[in-house]
Amino acid sequence: DADVTQTPRNRITKTGKRIMLECSQTKGHDRMYWYRQDPGLGLRLIYYSFDVKDINKGEISDGYSVSRQAQAKFSLSLESAIPNQTALYFCATSQGEETQYFGPGTRLLVL
Amino acid sequence: DQQVKQNSPSLSVQEGRISILNCDYTNSMFDYFLWYKKYPAEGPTFLISISSIKDKNEDGRFTVFLNKSAKHLSLHIVPSQPGDSAVYFCAAYSGAGSYQLTFGKGTKLSVIP
Repeated sequence: DADVTQTPRNRITKTGKRIMLECSQTKGHDRMYWYRQDPGLGLRLIYYSFDVKDINKGEISDGYSVSRQAQAKFSLSLESAIPNQTALYFCATSQGEETQYFGPGTRLLVL
Repeated sequence: DQQVKQNSPSLSVQEGRISILNCDYTNSMFDYFLWYKKYPAEGPTFLISISSIKDKNEDGRFTVFLNKSAKHLSLHIVPSQPGDSAVYFCAAYSGAGSYQLTFGKGTKLSVIP
């Protein structure tokens, strides 16, 4: 079984809809991250969490919110989706400042 | 302003030859550097890393070189294999900061059989 899972893997939604992307990990890591990747660009950090009570904004947090429901779960929400949020979204985990491990990604299309 | 730059969007190499992927950075606070490999429809997977106190790190066919004075690092793959065909991302962070990874845009490596 995968250590970092993301659901859904693909999602099509309409402008203005609320959508939640979920991430779960079985690695027991304390840190979790959400990134987005756009064509021709590297991964950019949206939010990160160092533990359940610690949430921090990343480089591009506008239009997004997160919830760390448990050590193993970290959700990303788009309160009112817009077309320029069409992207590939990745969740990652790490134990402290060590290497980050990524999930398989969620491909989101906002029409 | 892009702090981690991979100026070559793509690279083609013959199987068995050396692949050299380059990365430049501008933030002098970065002290840890990583390379990730990404296949289509999968998340990035960690490949190799190097601390700023070293200038070389080797792991099998993969070697990363760091030139701090030039703010440049490179990934060497020898010999290149068709299964190495993927997008390679360079990433960096500052241990004195919040350990946020900053990624380059990636280089797509194609190894031709």
